[in-house]
Amino acid sequence: DQQVKQNSPSLSVQEGRISILNCDYTNSMFDYFLWYKKYPAEGPTFLISISSIKDKNEDGRFTVFLNKSAKHLSLHIVPSQPGDSAVYFCAASGISGNQFYFGTGTSLTVIP
Amino acid sequence: KAGVTQTPRYLIKTRGQQVTLSCSPISGHRSVSWYQQTPGQGLQFLFEYFSETQRNKGNFPGRFSGRQFSNSRSEMNVSTLELGDSALYLCASSHQGITGTYGYTFGSGTRLTVV
Repeated sequence: DQQVKQNSPSLSVQEGRISILNCDYTNSMFDYFLWYKKYPAEGPTFLISISSIKDKNEDGRFTVFLNKSAKHLSLHIVPSQPGDSAVYFCAASGISGNQFYFGTGTSLTVIP
Repeated sequence: KAGVTQTPRYLIKTRGQQVTLSCSPISGHRSVSWYQQTPGQGLQFLFEYFSETQRNKGNFPGRFSGRQFSNSRSEMNVSTLELGDSALYLCASSHQGITGTYGYTFGSGTRLTVV
């Protein structure tokens, strides 16, 4: 049973525009969320995180929003750049857990 | 400092064989986790080792096993390989586990193909 879901397998955005990647989760005990970025033939790399005590976290062009009541988080990339083209995974964990639950990923293509 | 190193990068095995994958974590990291990535399934947690002890285990059959050595290096073994075991196997290390702002540091993975 997939506890973290990324319902859009792919997304295409024009360079300079906003990219919005979405993630839904089912377990209300999750309290820590991360986004990873993955290029082909490389392992995922950490991008940005958010804990459940916040509803927003920014890091440069990247902002993650958390809506706990809706069990939904999103990653905004503004402005999008061609180098952002990659697969993005969201992940969640609970306070007592020792693993992350990952979504299936969204492949972002930024068109120059 | 050196990242997480996984060897080999690519592997082709025949059904019924066994395979051993290796992972060297970042120096000083004591936690090593293993994940399986397949198309449409995302990253599925296999197990986590911390100071040579398996601390957490995912929902995989007993054919999947692992161990961790005193230098924190870890190996993962899959016995009696099946076609469905074809996947990218990712190793991730961290200092204490998943606590901390940055979660894991992943290696580049071992691409296993079972024929």
